Amino acid sequence: EPEVTQTPSHQVTQMGQEVILRCVPISNHLYFYWYRQILGQKVEFLVSFYNNEISEKSEIFDDQFSVERPDGSNFTLKIRSTKLEDSAMYFCASSQRQGQAEQYFGPGTRLTVT
Amino acid sequence: GDSVTQMEGPVTLSEEAFLTINCTYTATGYPSLFWYVQYPGEGLQLLLKATKADDKGSNKGFEATYRKETTSFHLEKGSVQVSDSAVYFCALRDLAAGNKLTFGGGTRVLVKP
Repeated sequence: EPEVTQTPSHQVTQMGQEVILRCVPISNHLYFYWYRQILGQKVEFLVSFYNNEISEKSEIFDDQFSVERPDGSNFTLKIRSTKLEDSAMYFCASSQRQGQAEQYFGPGTRLTVT
Repeated sequence: GDSVTQMEGPVTLSEEAFLTINCTYTATGYPSLFWYVQYPGEGLQLLLKATKADDKGSNKGFEATYRKETTSFHLEKGSVQVSDSAVYFCALRDLAAGNKLTFGGGTRVLVKP
């Protein structure tokens, strides 16, 4: 069964460093998402992406964040200058279409900023 | 804005016990409602969904009914197994507010043999 994959599973970085989290969505999906979960808090929406453009973003998704689909398979989330409060589990998701289509989630990348 | 509130865990049960996880929501439009499950080391998996009032979603013995009058979507299972140990997330999607999912805080369930 096709699945969303994410790498790495755990990333440790120092404050101020740039990180890139990688996701491979399901191959025939067209809509891509990033969510995050700070330890002990809710899963929060960050951004959605379609047709090489951001279609929605939350207040969390400020200028420090960017997303890209550099090739036909990867979908990346970049944090330019990490802060301690960026430590969280980051989930990638994809769906075939908008509306009622199910969003399929990856296993997550745990980002630890020291 | 939209929000989801679910009971805090952990919930500890014996095998074959009845499970209920409460979930209530606030939304400006007419949302679709979901339960996702996260098994250890894995991503969020859709467990069941309901797209309109009075719909009942069901899967793997779990059920939830979309109650518009009480703005609730409580998850139930009549007889849990050890393999049901996981974190359960209630979520909504209000298409009037975009395509994003809004999640509750998650409820950890531990089923003991």
